[in-house]
Amino acid sequence: AQKVTQAQTEISVVEKEDVTLDCVYETRDTTYYLFWYKQPPSGELVFLIRRNSFDEQNEISGRYSWNFQKSTSSFNFTITASQVVDSAVYFCALRRVNSGYALNFGKGTSLLVTP
Amino acid sequence: DGGITQSPKYLFRKEGQNVTLSCEQNLNHDAMYWYRQDPGQGLRLIYYSQIVNDFQKGDIAEGYSVSREKKESFPLTVTSAQKNPTAFYLCASSMGAGETQYFGPGTRLLVL
Repeated sequence: AQKVTQAQTEISVVEKEDVTLDCVYETRDTTYYLFWYKQPPSGELVFLIRRNSFDEQNEISGRYSWNFQKSTSSFNFTITASQVVDSAVYFCALRRVNSGYALNFGKGTSLLVTP
Repeated sequence: DGGITQSPKYLFRKEGQNVTLSCEQNLNHDAMYWYRQDPGQGLRLIYYSQIVNDFQKGDIAEGYSVSREKKESFPLTVTSAQKNPTAFYLCASSMGAGETQYFGPGTRLLVL
């Protein structure tokens, strides 16, 4: 069975602080795909990154970076120098091998960045 | 502009009423999905379709129905059998099953 755990329900930081959102996953598959999505107050989920299990290189995109560690089954997301516009709910997800490759989502982490 | 549209943004349902949520995409994607989101929860899979004229039940299909008569359209009907329909409904599509899913803006369904 697959499972995604985002233990942090809510995080509050002051602008310009760095913040890391944790994601721990469980799967028996040797090949799998992980995702991060951002859900701003408008509600739409915005795709941020997709990572496959064969690629353990960390990824950096502007102020965003992702740390994928198979040894600890974690795929953590760091925002550097946070901004108010980063306030949103962030979801980590694991692609299924059945159900049309639908996604199994964690419960999300609500990030509030205050000025 | 290419994208996924959902309508309406808000929908009110009366007891015993069936309502239909629209999902349209012009991305030429083969696969489409419906998810339900409850407050403080992740998304749960209702139905999915990997190709036109074919669809499958997800984890919480009871009380819902779908159709996929056209590649670009995947409407979701919330029937009177769905006893707790109040939620935020998100439609997604992907180039093919297994590819990255992109989401529409969502429909918020409320019960009167």
